[in-house]
Amino acid sequence: QQPVQSPQAVILREGEDAVINCSSSKALYSVHWYRQKHGEAPVFLMILLKGGEQKGHEKISASFNEKKQQSSLYLTASQLSYSGTYFCGTDSGGSNYKLTFGKGTLLTVNP
Amino acid sequence: GAGVSQTPSNKVTEKGKYVELRCDPISGHTALYWYRQSLGQGPEFLIYFQGTGAADDSGLPNDRFFAVRPEGSVSTLKIQRTERGDSAVYLCASSLTGTTSDTQYFGPGTRLTVL
Repeated sequence: QQPVQSPQAVILREGEDAVINCSSSKALYSVHWYRQKHGEAPVFLMILLKGGEQKGHEKISASFNEKKQQSSLYLTASQLSYSGTYFCGTDSGGSNYKLTFGKGTLLTVNP
Repeated sequence: GAGVSQTPSNKVTEKGKYVELRCDPISGHTALYWYRQSLGQGPEFLIYFQGTGAADDSGLPNDRFFAVRPEGSVSTLKIQRTERGDSAVYLCASSLTGTTSDTQYFGPGTRLTVL
């Protein structure tokens, strides 16, 4: 089942913060976050595994709430380079190899 | 080191023709995935290889689609009798082990246009 991402789009000014959510109707075993710029390959940001952990990557961090079956991506003090579409990919079927991606969140950071 | 590469980067073909799309994974990665991405959508799973074998081809839309990985490295996605609805970006990804605790690295994709 495809995870649901929210919001669908967000516009920020440089330096502002944003939160992108990824929710599933099924239990999550892992959540993968990617950023894709127009016409380019998705670029890996981070993986969160079952266990409710939080991870950080420069000014980008994420949390994983097993009970709520959701993950959130936090972007703080946004930079122009953060612009792009953010996707979450989830393993919610316990296949241990297959990811299902959400429809993405378009983030635009303006000067 | 080198990332995942895909050729061609663009392919324009006519309805009914046969096409082959190639993926070169990261050296040493045993797992290889094909995805299809339509405009405004996330990558959609097509097929997963572990070594030379297709461990899961449940995402292939129909029997016009076929993929091989004969030596456990390079993979080719083959589409017969192409239809306009096949137009999309076809992405390939590879990972070291194939489990979802492992990172999938994506290639730049092949943009397929069926006229």
